[in-house]
Amino acid sequence: DSGVTQTPKHLITATGQRVTLRCSPRSGDLSVYWYQQSLDQGLQFLIQYYNGEERAKGNILERFSAQQFPDLHSELNLSSLELGDSALYFCASSYGTDQNIQYFGAGTRLSVL
Amino acid sequence: GEDVEQSLFLSVREGDSSVINCTYTDSSSTYLYWYKQEPGAGLQLLTYIFSNMDMKQDQRLTVLLNKKDKHLSLRIADTQTGDSAIYFCVPRAYSGAGSYQLTFGKGTKLSVIP
Repeated sequence: DSGVTQTPKHLITATGQRVTLRCSPRSGDLSVYWYQQSLDQGLQFLIQYYNGEERAKGNILERFSAQQFPDLHSELNLSSLELGDSALYFCASSYGTDQNIQYFGAGTRLSVL
Repeated sequence: GEDVEQSLFLSVREGDSSVINCTYTDSSSTYLYWYKQEPGAGLQLLTYIFSNMDMKQDQRLTVLLNKKDKHLSLRIADTQTGDSAIYFCVPRAYSGAGSYQLTFGKGTKLSVIP
């Protein structure tokens, strides 16, 4: 068990809808990272938050947004969903800002029908 | 940005050694990680090597780094069926403005034949 908790484990929704994925980092970790894993694109870095502030941005679509709350949990919001957004979404956490060793959650599997 | 290339599949017999290879493009990569992903699970850090090292051994795992050729390999000795998983080569490179970024390869799916 990595200590990173993601909910829900599975999510099924329709095109055009909006969903929220939630992540609780390991105790003491200040950074949270979001990744998307799909069969054709592999694992893509979306965004990093450190202690409530956005720290680094990757290949995140404008329809997607994230935030990190004062208790350090994070949410990834996906809106106007398309079929191509179906993927595994992982959250990871680390203590510092510099993307050193990251601990991954078990992921949320999103299916857009 | 960084590019990471790995073979997609590797099949070995139980008890043999497995060697998973990786090439990367960014010579400023400071840490190079190997992550393991078992079916239906998240990624788990297996081992890592600093860029100023050539080799690191950790029980059944040996990591070799050829910095000149930007080539990294992971050797698993006495491969077991529990080693069946996807293995990701992950360099960490400086991306500017005090930030670092991990780049994941597409992963090598290791299948161990009993």
